[in-house]
Amino acid sequence: NAGVMQNPRHLVRRRGQEARLRCSPMKGHSHVYWYRQLPEEGLKFMVYLQKENIIDESGMPKERFSAEFPKEGPSILRIQQVVRGDSAAYFCASSPAIGNNEQFFGPGTRLTVL
Amino acid sequence: DQQVKQNSPSLSVQEGRISILNCDYTNSMFDYFLWYKKYPAEGPTFLISISSIKDKNEDGRFTVFLNKSAKHLSLHIVPSQPGDSAVYFCAAGTGAGGTSYGKLTFGQGTILTVHP
Repeated sequence: NAGVMQNPRHLVRRRGQEARLRCSPMKGHSHVYWYRQLPEEGLKFMVYLQKENIIDESGMPKERFSAEFPKEGPSILRIQQVVRGDSAAYFCASSPAIGNNEQFFGPGTRLTVL
Repeated sequence: DQQVKQNSPSLSVQEGRISILNCDYTNSMFDYFLWYKKYPAEGPTFLISISSIKDKNEDGRFTVFLNKSAKHLSLHIVPSQPGDSAVYFCAAGTGAGGTSYGKLTFGQGTILTVHP
């Protein structure tokens, strides 16, 4: 009964490169959420997806960031042309379609932009 | 625009005593609240939640109290143990009725240290 899986756990990119972060939700969960935690801050909501649909992307920066949750495979958070300010911990969470309101978090991907 | 605030960055407690972590919110639309515990280099772990129709929820050593009129909630840990030392986040969301609705809004976190 695996929990939320995220990979890679650590990712180092140079400015201008692309970063791809992957998230596999818990078995039976069809809702995926991405959050970002900057140093010394709380988690900030980025995007909420269901299979093949973006439900709420109100927390996503308008440029360079995109997310998807295809019918098959993990959810992907993609950051194009990374800048130093993108350095943060990115957490994915999942929840069941119907159930309580808990979101279960993965271990996070720590992105470092050099 | 910090809709969920944890005004105490840190709290130090002796083992066996009570730990009380506080959280305030401003958005009246929030109707459920959660507490998460986080260790360094790990993701948040769910601890306990409460719906706005209740004022108290208890699970073992953890109790969450909600004061809707004051827009305030607190987490009580009794008795505190050294293993409880971690960062505690409160979070709030909208969407009652037992269905996940969407985003959670988190506070900044409180670092709890429990001394042996």
